[in-house]
Formats: sequence, structure tokens, C-alpha cells
Amino acid sequence: GESVGLHLPTLSVQEGDNSIINCAYSNSASDYFIWYKQESGKGPQFIIDIRSNMDKRQGQRVTVLLNKTVKHLSLQIAATQPGDSAVYFCAEGLQGGKLIFGQGTELSVKP
Amino acid sequence: NAGVMQNPRHLVRRRGQEARLRCSPVKGHSHVYWYRQLPEEGLKFMVYLQKENIIDESGMPKERFSAEFPKEGPSILRIQQVVRGDSAAYFCASSPAAPATGELFFGEGSRLTVL
Repeated sequence: GESVGLHLPTLSVQEGDNSIINCAYSNSASDYFIWYKQESGKGPQFIIDIRSNMDKRQGQRVTVLLNKTVKHLSLQIAATQPGDSAVYFCAEGLQGGKLIFGQGTELSVKP
Repeated sequence: NAGVMQNPRHLVRRRGQEARLRCSPVKGHSHVYWYRQLPEEGLKFMVYLQKENIIDESGMPKERFSAEFPKEGPSILRIQQVVRGDSAAYFCASSPAAPATGELFFGEGSRLTVL
């Protein structure tokens, strides 16, 4: 079936540390995987995506890793800042733009 | 340079009333998506529309819910005879074409409360 789940509902890190948010997925037919950030009271904001034929992709301060063997996705945020505090969702992308979202991990950054 | 605009941002309805949620996509975007988010949950896909066409409505409840994206004007998500379980945040997203990646542009959402 289609489902995306997250390992931890909350993550608390110290400012300046690196953050790692994990995600498990079950649909092997996904074309791509995406991370979104959602701040309180706002809509989701695209962070980074990775195609299913890749295993790593880097952006500005963020890295996404895809392990298709164990159906695992992770988002690494370097030098976490207070502005990174938000709920992070992983999602599977299917053809036609349909996204299957996980439940979210709340990242809290302590100053 | 407006992004996706949704209105109303907050809507309160009594059980049995109708709710209409509007979404104006990013200028030039012809693909619109509606998602629903219950408190402390992820977003659930509802419907995908292009101008005047429903492409995928597999996430829409079979009754009381409808969506349209007319040739002119915003996309409308309509919920008839609302019930308390319809209380949620409804997000609209747009893209310029069927996205090859996962980058959808989301609005700020419309928060429906059913009394």
C-alpha cells in the first residue's frame, strides 16, 4: 500500500549541531522523494528532492540520502539554526505530481 | 510576485452548512492540487486539477466534496453539508506543469472549523 512513516515525532538539537531526520517508506514505485518544511501556521515549503535512481543529493546546508534497499530516506541539516525549527515531512512522489506525505517530525533548535 | 493565494484563511461553519475554499495558483501555473491536513498529521492528497479538467480525484471523499478549476478564476474546493470531521487545514498547491520533481508551491492554507 501507499504509506510513508517517520521514525521519531520530535527531535531537539543544539544550535550549531547537525540534525538528522529519518523516514521510512513502503512504495517501491515512487519516482522521487521529497522533504518539505512547515512552520507553524504556514504551508509546506519545498526543501530538496531526490530521484529514485540516486542515493545522495546535496543542497545548501542540507543533504538527502536514499537507501532503496531498506526503503529509508534521511535529511541532514548542517549547522542547525533557530530558523530551522519547524515540522519536517518526507513525501513520496508519484507520476502526475501526487505526493504521499509522512506524519512529520518536529525539529526544535535550542539556542 | 504573488505565490499561491488561498482564501479565506479561516472559516467557521455549523454542521450542515457549505464551505467554499478558493485558491489562486502562482501566475502561469496551470496545475493545482488540494491537500487536507488534520491536526498533528501529514498532508493527505485530495485532488489534482488542470484548467477545466480533473486529472486525479482519488483522494476526494465520494460524497459532499467537489473541486473545480475553471478556465477563468480560482480553483474552488466545495464541501457541502459539513460535519465536524471536516475540520482541518486545506492546502492548495500549484505547479507550472506536471512536475518531474516534488516541488509544489503551497499556499498558507484555509483552516475550516465546523461547530
